[in-house]
Amino acid sequence: GGIITQTPKFLIGQEGQKLTLKCQQNFNHDTMYWYRQDSGKGLRLIYYSITENDLQKGDLSEGYDASREKKSSFSLTVTSAQKNEMAVFLCASSMWFYAEQFFGPGTRLTVL
Amino acid sequence: QQKVQQSPESLIVPEGGMASLNCTSSDRNVDYFWWYRQHSGKSPKMLMSIFSNGEKEEGRFTVHLNKASLHTSLHIRDSQPSDSALYLCAASLIANSGTYQRFGTGTKLQVVP
Repeated sequence: GGIITQTPKFLIGQEGQKLTLKCQQNFNHDTMYWYRQDSGKGLRLIYYSITENDLQKGDLSEGYDASREKKSSFSLTVTSAQKNEMAVFLCASSMWFYAEQFFGPGTRLTVL
Repeated sequence: QQKVQQSPESLIVPEGGMASLNCTSSDRNVDYFWWYRQHSGKSPKMLMSIFSNGEKEEGRFTVHLNKASLHTSLHIRDSQPSDSALYLCAASLIANSGTYQRFGTGTKLQVVP
């Protein structure tokens, strides 16, 4: 088995601030993902990465940057936090495209 | 526009009853469907996947797929209060860089005693 850890668990920022969320997995999975989930809603894909140093934009990439410097870690940066961005950000990984995704516990973002 | 549509948005079923959830992709570059379950305050966990036409059963859960209409459905028989959760459908989309899963907005299921 393996585990995905996300830090921090709660993130509070000011409007306009640049904020970074981190994700680590020890599954040795190739593919990693960042999703945003607004309260009680579905998941929207922000970025995904097929392998180390690869980055692919999802449906919601505007306003975000991502970085995959190691196979085990995937970071997401909110370039300028907005009040309507309050949501839970979920990181996931999978062995390959057609494999199930395993999710981390999430980072809850609040923008003041 | 929402390319993976789920219905209904919410569903209440009595304990022991049958719950039926639907999902359709409007994007034809889809070759795999997934169902995830997310209990309140938790992360999604994969429930079942299907890529062939027909039906797949695992315990109380049955998934159907019609590839021609890109429609999948999840049926839960003998529903239990512990089945109360947000059910998310995902479609594997074929993109230039590979594939990724696009999620629907979910169906909130409540099983009442």
